[in-house]
Amino acid sequence: DVKVTQSSRYLVKRTGEKVFLECVQDMDHENMFWYRQDPGLGLRLIYFSYDVKMKEKGDIPEGYSVSREKKERFSLILESASTNQTSMYLCASSLAVQGATDTQYFGPGTRLTVL
Amino acid sequence: DQQVKQNSPSLSVQEGRISILNCDYTNSMFDYFLWYKKYPAEGPTFLISISSIKDKNEDGRFTVFLNKSAKHLSLHIVPSQPGDSAVYFCAATSGTYKYIFGTGTRLKVLA
Repeated sequence: DVKVTQSSRYLVKRTGEKVFLECVQDMDHENMFWYRQDPGLGLRLIYFSYDVKMKEKGDIPEGYSVSREKKERFSLILESASTNQTSMYLCASSLAVQGATDTQYFGPGTRLTVL
Repeated sequence: DQQVKQNSPSLSVQEGRISILNCDYTNSMFDYFLWYKKYPAEGPTFLISISSIKDKNEDGRFTVFLNKSAKHLSLHIVPSQPGDSAVYFCAATSGTYKYIFGTGTRLKVLA
């Protein structure tokens, strides 16, 4: 079974703080993703990484950065948290299969509240 | 611009009956579609998928139907069980890593 874990289930931070969200997968997947989920908006892609040190912006990268120093670990960084970044953050991973569509496997999510 | 739409935010069904969840898309380049189920405080879990070369895919109680001409897909759950109560997301992709998700439909199965 694919296992994707996230460092915290619930997090409360203050406006202006630097926030790190960590994600680890144990299936040697090449691809890793960060999404945020908001009511009425579904899941929106923040950043994607297809290899160590490689990243691409998703649909809503503003205010976020990412780091992938090891294949199994993908971090999302909020440089200066703001109240509009209060959300559920979901990490996912997938095996990059040439010529086929991969299934993404999700972690349990981190509910971040910025006060 | 919502390329994948789930127009029903919620649906209630009696236990044992059929649940039908709908999803519409606008991008004709999408060629692979997926359904995910999400319980509160958990991440989405993959449920079933369908390629655009098919019009139906079954897996136990779950069947996904694809109507390419109408740009519409639906998920049928028969028979519905209380444990199926969750939020269901459809997603579409055009053969890349990028999924476009719908906004979700909350299904409640009444015992």
